[in-house]
Amino acid sequence: QQPVQSPQAVILREGEDAVINCSSSKALYSVHWYRQKHGEAPVFLMILLKGGEQKGHEKISASFNEKKQQSSLYLTASQLSYSGTYFCGTEMTHSSASKIIFGSGTRLSIRP
Amino acid sequence: DGGITQSPKYLFRKEGQNVTLSCEQNLNHDAMYWYRQDPGQGLRLIYYSQIVNDFQKGDIAEGYSVSREKKESFPLTVTSAQKNPTAFYLCASSISPNTGELFFGEGSRLTVL
Repeated sequence: QQPVQSPQAVILREGEDAVINCSSSKALYSVHWYRQKHGEAPVFLMILLKGGEQKGHEKISASFNEKKQQSSLYLTASQLSYSGTYFCGTEMTHSSASKIIFGSGTRLSIRP
Repeated sequence: DGGITQSPKYLFRKEGQNVTLSCEQNLNHDAMYWYRQDPGQGLRLIYYSQIVNDFQKGDIAEGYSVSREKKESFPLTVTSAQKNPTAFYLCASSISPNTGELFFGEGSRLTVL
């Protein structure tokens, strides 16, 4: 099942904060976060594996709730370089047939 | 430098023709994936392979075929059965299943006229 991402789009001024959410109806094995610039390949940001986990650094971080059904990506004091589309990718199981399913993306625009 | 190479970057084809997109990686990764991306939409999984000579259908496999004869290569054929093939296609790989980061190629943009 495709994870649900929200919001679909965000417009910020440089220096403002943003939160992007990713949720699943069932518990997940892991959550990935990627950023894609227009016309380019997605680039890996981070992966979360444990319920209650928080990861990242001061500017870009993410959390994974205890039930492992929701993750949020936090962008603090946004910079122009943060512009792009953010995707969460989720894995349901830890098995040889595991696959990563992506959400529909959140388009982030940063204005000077 | 290690990475994933997709070719061609741009491809135009007439309706009804089969097209094969190349994906080669020199990262020694076991797992490889094909995703389709339409404008303003997310990535949808077409096929994936966790090991040589084995692959599984993703969510939108109809009208596509793949092979995995070598660890380094995972070509995707867009057949004439695919009703709406115009899209951006991304190939990715990971060290092994469930080990995290996907490395993506730069993509192939297919336009069917």
